[in-house]
Amino acid sequence: EDQVTQSPEALRLQEGESSSLNCSYTVSGLRGLFWYRQDPGKGPEFLFTLYSAGEEKEKERLKATLTKKESFLHITAPKPEDSATYLCARGGSQGNLIFGKGTKLSVKP
Amino acid sequence: EAEVAQSPRYKITEKSQAVAFWCDPISGHATLYWYRQILGQGPELLVQFQDESVVDDSQLPKDRFSAERLKGVDSTLKIQPAELGDSAMYLCASSSGPAEGQETQYFGPGTRLLVL
Repeated sequence: EDQVTQSPEALRLQEGESSSLNCSYTVSGLRGLFWYRQDPGKGPEFLFTLYSAGEEKEKERLKATLTKKESFLHITAPKPEDSATYLCARGGSQGNLIFGKGTKLSVKP
Repeated sequence: EAEVAQSPRYKITEKSQAVAFWCDPISGHATLYWYRQILGQGPELLVQFQDESVVDDSQLPKDRFSAERLKGVDSTLKIQPAELGDSAMYLCASSSGPAEGQETQYFGPGTRLLVL
């Protein structure tokens, strides 16, 4: 069964305190590993797609990395506006997405 | 910037009533998805269309849910009759796929449904 597990469920950081979010996934038939940001009451906003182990992508204070079994979303010197739920998803064989439950990030000033 | 459009944004209905949601994908995107998201969970796929054809509706409760994409562009998701457990966010997404490298999905703002 396709599974995506995210940890931690919730993370509280002080502004400027760097950290990482974890996403582990079933490997069979992977068609991409995806990261989204979701603000309360809104649809997920696309951040990154990763396809190969060792691949890295960056956007402002965020960097996503991929290994054979896990992906990490590194947040460097976060700001309060980075507070959101971060969703990880693996691509299924037909192009569908299987999501984890998300990590709720709170950044306090 | 091209966006996925959804309406309505909010819907309150009583159980046993019928509700319908509409989605207009990004222009030129062949693949359209409907997801349901319960509070505190990740989105779960209900139905996937490739142009006007259903690719996957294995998780769609077909006794009460129906979806169509008649001309391969916009789509409608219907629930009849609505039940209390249907209260959730209904999300539409589209991608240029299905070829490899075209899997990235872009989501609309969602429709929040409350069934009383």
